[in-house]
Amino acid sequence: GENVEQHPSTLSVQEGDSAVIKCTYSDSASNYFPWYKQELGKRPQLIIDIRSNVGEKKDQRIAVTLNKTAKHFSLHITETQPEDSAVYFCAASYTGGFKTIFGAGTRLFVKA
Amino acid sequence: DAGVTQSPTHLIKTRGQQVTLRCSPKSGHDTVSWYQQALGQGPQFIFQYYEEEERQRGNFPDRFSGHQFPNYSSELNVNALLLGDSALYLCASSLAGTANYGYTFGSGTRLTVV
Repeated sequence: GENVEQHPSTLSVQEGDSAVIKCTYSDSASNYFPWYKQELGKRPQLIIDIRSNVGEKKDQRIAVTLNKTAKHFSLHITETQPEDSAVYFCAASYTGGFKTIFGAGTRLFVKA
Repeated sequence: DAGVTQSPTHLIKTRGQQVTLRCSPKSGHDTVSWYQQALGQGPQFIFQYYEEEERQRGNFPDRFSGHQFPNYSSELNVNALLLGDSALYLCASSLAGTANYGYTFGSGTRLTVV
């Protein structure tokens, strides 16, 4: 069945360092890959997304890369700040499909 | 501009009871998806409603049912509650008929079954 695997489950970095979260998806029909940030006790919020016709997308300190052949996609956060501390979820869906499959999440700690 | 609103925010129910959760989508959105998020886990798809019909369902038993109203708001009903139904229930709205776009999530309803 459809599945999205995400790792690591926990990531601790020093302020100013980079953080990388990796995901793998199983459904080759997937063509849309959003990333959500969920702060403690709050709703998940879309922070960036990428579509299958693009290999990389950047928005200030965050970037996503997609390797369709390997069915891998990754989130890169540079110059991390304490306010980046949260749980990050990767997800996958496809045009014409109605559900989005989420990874299990990565808890990111940024130490000041 | 109101985002996605869910009610109630917290709920405590006894095993075997029934519960109804409510969601109003973001203005301009016509599709509502419901997710269950257990502690420390990613959201799990329950079902999606569009044009007042269930379009797709995840791997959840028939105890979970829903409804969408003409104003696009939606309800999630869970019958015969089990302890394992304790979770955060998230409503996500989106706009159908377009290429995939990200969801706008509500703040969720925290359901505790005792």
